[in-house]
Amino acid sequence: KAGVTQTPRYLIKTRGQQVTLSCSPISGHRSVSWYQQTPGQGLQFLFEYFSETQRNKGNFPGRFSGRQFSNSRSEMNVSTLELGDSALYLCASSLDGSGLAAYNEQFFGPGTRLTVL
Amino acid sequence: LAKTTQPISMDSYEGQEVNITCSHNNIATNDYITWYQQFPSQGPRFIIQGYKTKVTNEVASLFIPADRKSSTLSLPRVSLSDTAVYYCLVGGQAGTALIFGKGTTLSVSS
Repeated sequence: KAGVTQTPRYLIKTRGQQVTLSCSPISGHRSVSWYQQTPGQGLQFLFEYFSETQRNKGNFPGRFSGRQFSNSRSEMNVSTLELGDSALYLCASSLDGSGLAAYNEQFFGPGTRLTVL
Repeated sequence: LAKTTQPISMDSYEGQEVNITCSHNNIATNDYITWYQQFPSQGPRFIIQGYKTKVTNEVASLFIPADRKSSTLSLPRVSLSDTAVYYCLVGGQAGTALIFGKGTTLSVSS
């Protein structure tokens, strides 16, 4: 079974621009979560989508948004990019959204490395 | 979600057994304990999960005492490829987000 795929793998943008990242979950998984990872803050939860609805949201500004399509594929968008948005953006999928309940692990993609200049 | 505390870093040599302990004093009755491993520039990978006592799979063992206020991830006979960051997470509600702490950076030397 194919794993979680993320595109693009690398991206370079300048301040003020916007960016859209894409995530394709494992077939059959209905939940997609997004995380930002930076050296200073570590892994931080952005939001989670389940059946096209945002079910959980982390503590990020409104410049960060996402959506999920009927085929469970998800996109996240960052508008008005800032230098501090440079990070590895990780997407994870699971059957029902909890990586902590029994037998329901989250599978992570390889990430998109975003650099903001 | 219960807060977890684990050592920032650990060093080991190839062939040794490594035990990483995580404390989670406020664990709830329906919470599971889950460990993830992350290599540089990759997404985290599920290692093992347990509720109580001992769980073992092909890569690790997880020991959980009766009070469940802590847990220990045991990696038998580590190799250089086990050098990674290990995260302990606690929770169990459906739809609950994974909240990662700083993790434990394990460095294995030859």
